[in-house]
Amino acid sequence: GENVEQHPSTLSVQEGDSAVIKCTYSDSASNYFPWYKQELGKRPQLIIDIRSNVGEKKDQRIAVTLNKTAKHFSLHITETQPEDSAVYFCAASIQSGGSNYKLTFGKGTLLTVNP
Amino acid sequence: ETGVTQTPRHLVMGMTNKKSLKCEQHLGHNAMYWYKQSAKKPLELMFVYNFKEQTENNSVPSRFSPECPNSSHLFLHLHTLQPEDSALYLCASSQALATDTQYFGPGTRLTVL
Repeated sequence: GENVEQHPSTLSVQEGDSAVIKCTYSDSASNYFPWYKQELGKRPQLIIDIRSNVGEKKDQRIAVTLNKTAKHFSLHITETQPEDSAVYFCAASIQSGGSNYKLTFGKGTLLTVNP
Repeated sequence: ETGVTQTPRHLVMGMTNKKSLKCEQHLGHNAMYWYKQSAKKPLELMFVYNFKEQTENNSVPSRFSPECPNSSHLFLHLHTLQPEDSALYLCASSQALATDTQYFGPGTRLTVL
């Protein structure tokens, strides 16, 4: 089955710096890659996603890149702010054969932005 | 955030108890999911329902039994659980299956004594 590896497990940056979180996946059939943010005590929320027909996507300070050949994708946060502090999860999704569906999450990255 | 609601928010049960978790979505979505979130593990997908039909059982033990009476409601029936089943159980929904934004509920914090 699909295996998603996420690094680093913890990341501490100074306010205003950039943060990069990387994920690799094992199944080349994966075709959808969402990123979720989970603040302490709250539910995960989608912050950005990318599909396999796109190499990069940007939304204000957040960007995601996808390298299908290398089977890895990354989250980039620029000009970090204290409110960016949270656990970030990457995921890889496969839909094949009608209703068959698999979504596998990485273990998460605890991002701390120090003021 | 009232799109996806879950009850109860906290549950403590003994290993011989039977209890149920409830999830309701008010978003008109067609797909619903159960996830387990443990302290040092990634989010684990447990079950997937699409148009009330179960499409995925991710090798979940039979002591967890899902039920989806309609596209807006999802239940997780629990019986003879083990202490290692203690975790946050999250429900989610999406408009379409697989490649669509999933909206999560607040979760039920389950403790099995």
